[in-house]
Amino acid sequence: DVVMTQSPLSLPVTLGQPASISCRSTQNLVYSDGNTYLHWFQQRPGQSPRRLIYKVSNRDSGVPDRFSGSGSGTDFTLKISRVEAEDVGVYYCMQGTHWPWTFGQGTKVEIK
Amino acid sequence: QVLLVESGGGLVKPGGSLRLSCAASGFTFSDSFMSWIRQAPGKGLEWVSYISGSGSPIYYTDSVKGRFTISRDNAKNSLYLQMNSLRVEDTAIYYCTRDRVVAAGDWGQGTPVTVSS
Repeated sequence: DVVMTQSPLSLPVTLGQPASISCRSTQNLVYSDGNTYLHWFQQRPGQSPRRLIYKVSNRDSGVPDRFSGSGSGTDFTLKISRVEAEDVGVYYCMQGTHWPWTFGQGTKVEIK
Repeated sequence: QVLLVESGGGLVKPGGSLRLSCAASGFTFSDSFMSWIRQAPGKGLEWVSYISGSGSPIYYTDSVKGRFTISRDNAKNSLYLQMNSLRVEDTAIYYCTRDRVVAAGDWGQGTPVTVSS
């Protein structure tokens, strides 16, 4: 199975400051159709997960533009340009290129 | 709007069975790829099973192969997960998800499954 490794696992941030989460895969995530199926999810405390970013860098509808995704191959990043209180939660990367689809361990974002 | 409502979770003894259901609305169910994803208490997310709009192909993660069966009834806009030979390690919240463009664009609120003697 493809292993997704996130870092850091815990990320204390100051309100208004940027934050960055890294996600690395053990296999190249470019599919035979040329797409890279790397997605990011947010899970706020007590809530179901919600997809933020799909195929590396596409923001889902309603997701603030302070969230951005980048990367290629096996190395990907989620950035929050200015952290707000509502961004507290756990963030997961997920690969949908190789079955079984797999998630990273999660990165817990909290306010300092 | 898209609504996914899971039901059928509960407490079951090891070796027992449960059938989860997911009632879908707000989109064309028969055109949608659907999945079950689970989250053990205090842990991360794990993809369990996936089914196309027509019912084929179907995929399972290795740990549930031969024990779980995913199915759908497009006439009833419903997704199911039949879980047999349940183990303690199957204890989790089970989420029903719908692909929107790609994987897991929409999620339900989840249904808890506890396997314990």
